[in-house]
Amino acid sequence: GENVEQHPSTLSVQEGDSAVIKCTYSDSASNYFPWYKQELGKRPQLIIDIRSNVGEKKDQRIAVTLNKTAKHFSLHITETQPEDSAVYFCAASINDYKLSFGAGTTVTVRA
Amino acid sequence: DAGVIQSPRHEVTEMGQEVTLRCKPISGHNSLFWYRQTMMRGLELLIYFNNNVPIDDSGMPEDRFSAKMPNASFSTLKIQPSEPRDSAVYFCASSLGTGGGYEQYFGPGTRLTVT
Repeated sequence: GENVEQHPSTLSVQEGDSAVIKCTYSDSASNYFPWYKQELGKRPQLIIDIRSNVGEKKDQRIAVTLNKTAKHFSLHITETQPEDSAVYFCAASINDYKLSFGAGTTVTVRA
Repeated sequence: DAGVIQSPRHEVTEMGQEVTLRCKPISGHNSLFWYRQTMMRGLELLIYFNNNVPIDDSGMPEDRFSAKMPNASFSTLKIQPSEPRDSAVYFCASSLGTGGGYEQYFGPGTRLTVT
C-alpha cells in the first residue's frame, strides 16, 4: 500500500517567518494530495489540496508544491501567525478515497 | 448545516464491554469514512461506505470491530468486546463523493478510553 513519510515531526518558527513541511510518497500512482490542519483537541480540517496534474497551488499564505518525479510534495506557510500553531498532516491517495496520512508535524509559532 | 455529528464525544468503558459509536454525516454526502487516531499509529482509515454500502473495510483491525450504515444519515462503529488497546479518538468523516477534490469533512471525534 501507499506509504507517506512526513518531516519534520516538530517545527518551531518565529512569528512572521515561513514554515515548510515536506512529505514523500511511495506509490507513483497516487494522484491526490491533501493537507489537513488539526488544532489541539479538534478535528482535522482540509486547508489545501493538489492533484497530480498540477505542480503548485496557492491560497493566500499557504502553498503546496508537488514533484511527481521525485514523489514528494511540500506545504509552505508564509508570514506565520500564532493561529497557525497546530499539527499538520499530509496525505496521498491512489484511488481517490483512501487517504494515507503522514505522521504529522507539530508547528509552533513563537510570538 | 451542523456538520458531521458524532456521539458520544467521550466514552469510558471497561475491558470486555461493548462500545457503539455513532455518526450522522452531512446531509447530501454519499461517502462516509471511519478513522482511528492514536499517537503510535496516527490517522488510519478503518472503513469506507459509498451510498450506504461498505466498499473498503481492509482497515478494520479485527473481527471485534464492525460498522453499519443502515441509511444515508446514520452509521455506527461497534467494538465487541473492547480492549485497552482500542483506546483512541475515532473520527467519522463524510464527503460529497469520491474522487480527488471531494473534501472529507471530519466530525468532532469520539475519545474512547478502555480500562
